[in-house]
Amino acid sequence: GENVEQHPSTLSVQEGDSAVIKCTYSDSASNYFPWYKQELGKGPQLIIDIRSNVGEKKDQRIAVTLNKTAKHFSLHITETQPEDSAVYFCAAVLGDTGRRALTFGSGTRLQVQP
Amino acid sequence: EAGVTQSPTHLIKTRGQQATLRCSPISGHTSVYWYQQALGLGLQFLLWYDEGEERNRGNFPPRFSGRQFPNYSSELNVNALELEDSALYLCASGRLNNYGYTFGSGTRLTVV
Repeated sequence: GENVEQHPSTLSVQEGDSAVIKCTYSDSASNYFPWYKQELGKGPQLIIDIRSNVGEKKDQRIAVTLNKTAKHFSLHITETQPEDSAVYFCAAVLGDTGRRALTFGSGTRLQVQP
Repeated sequence: EAGVTQSPTHLIKTRGQQATLRCSPISGHTSVYWYQQALGLGLQFLLWYDEGEERNRGNFPPRFSGRQFPNYSSELNVNALELEDSALYLCASGRLNNYGYTFGSGTRLTVV
């Protein structure tokens, strides 16, 4: 079916280590892949996104990579800090962006241990 | 600029009642998206409105409905509430074909 799969569901790292979250999607026509961070009691916040004409995008300590052939994309967080602890969601538009809303992965709870 | 605002923050209803949730988008955004986030689960797409029209809806029963007003604000109505409707309802706004949604903080609906 049409979905976005996200792994792992939980991830615990030591402060300063790197964290990687991976997602796969079902629709080869998908061309927009955002990542959201949701802190407790808040709505999801867009932290980085990538479009299909780009293979990698960086913004300070976070980066996203996209492999369109394999239909997967990943979030990389380097030098993790306790404030990075949150639930992270990947998403994709499965189909026509003019007709389909974002489909979200199931989320990854990241815990950064001080 | 003001973000996406949702009201009320919390709502407690009895099974069988109706609930109305409201959302005000960011100024200049014409699209409003509604998502349901049940406890411990991901975001499930409910409805998408743009320029007053429903553009798409997710796999939810017809008792979930909504509308968008001329000022682009939106409301979500849930009729005949069931216990399983208890969840955080998130509204997001964006510009049509501008892919970056901005979410509000949500309305926590509890059905007892």
